[in-house]
Amino acid sequence: EAGVAQSPRYKIIEKRQSVAFWCNPISGHATLYWYQQILGQGPKLLIQFQNNGVVDDSQLPKDRFSAERLKGVDSTLKIQPAKLEDSAVYLCASSLGGTGPYEQYFGPGTRLTVT
Amino acid sequence: LAKTTQPISMDSYEGQEVNITCSHNNIATNDYITWYQQFPSQGPRFIIQGYKTKVTNEVASLFIPADRKSSTLSLPRVSLSDTAVYYCLVGLTGFQKLVFGTGTRLLVSP
Repeated sequence: EAGVAQSPRYKIIEKRQSVAFWCNPISGHATLYWYQQILGQGPKLLIQFQNNGVVDDSQLPKDRFSAERLKGVDSTLKIQPAKLEDSAVYLCASSLGGTGPYEQYFGPGTRLTVT
Repeated sequence: LAKTTQPISMDSYEGQEVNITCSHNNIATNDYITWYQQFPSQGPRFIIQGYKTKVTNEVASLFIPADRKSSTLSLPRVSLSDTAVYYCLVGLTGFQKLVFGTGTRLLVSP
């Protein structure tokens, strides 16, 4: 079974530039998550989709971050404009979804460096 | 959301059993307890999940006392490859979001 795919794996940009990350979840997984992980900290949920609807985006900095999940499959996370403090690993995860205690499967992440 | 508290770091040697305890005093009735493992430059990986008493799989055991206010992840006979950060999480029912703490950094030495 293929895992969660993310691209790019690494990205270096200057502050005030924009950047986009792509995620392809495991086939059949209804729920998709984007996390931000700053060095030395645990992952922090940015946004959670159930199919193509947003379930939770309470911690997404909406003035600069946006995310979409078209057709309930792939998703993109965009930052515009980037700030130095956005330097982190951006993790995408997926799960079967619904009301069960389903485990989340994480992708390898995209390491973003903002200079 | 239930908050979890776990040690920041632990050291062990190859072949030893490692027990990592997590406290979650305000766990809700419907909450499950889940542990994830994260290696450097990788996303977290599910280890084990339980609701009460004891759960065992091929890599770990999870002990949960009757009051469910704490839980212990047990790794039998650790190896160098078990060096990682281990996260304890509580929740996962319905659409509850996962809230990761800082985790426990386990270092296994030869």
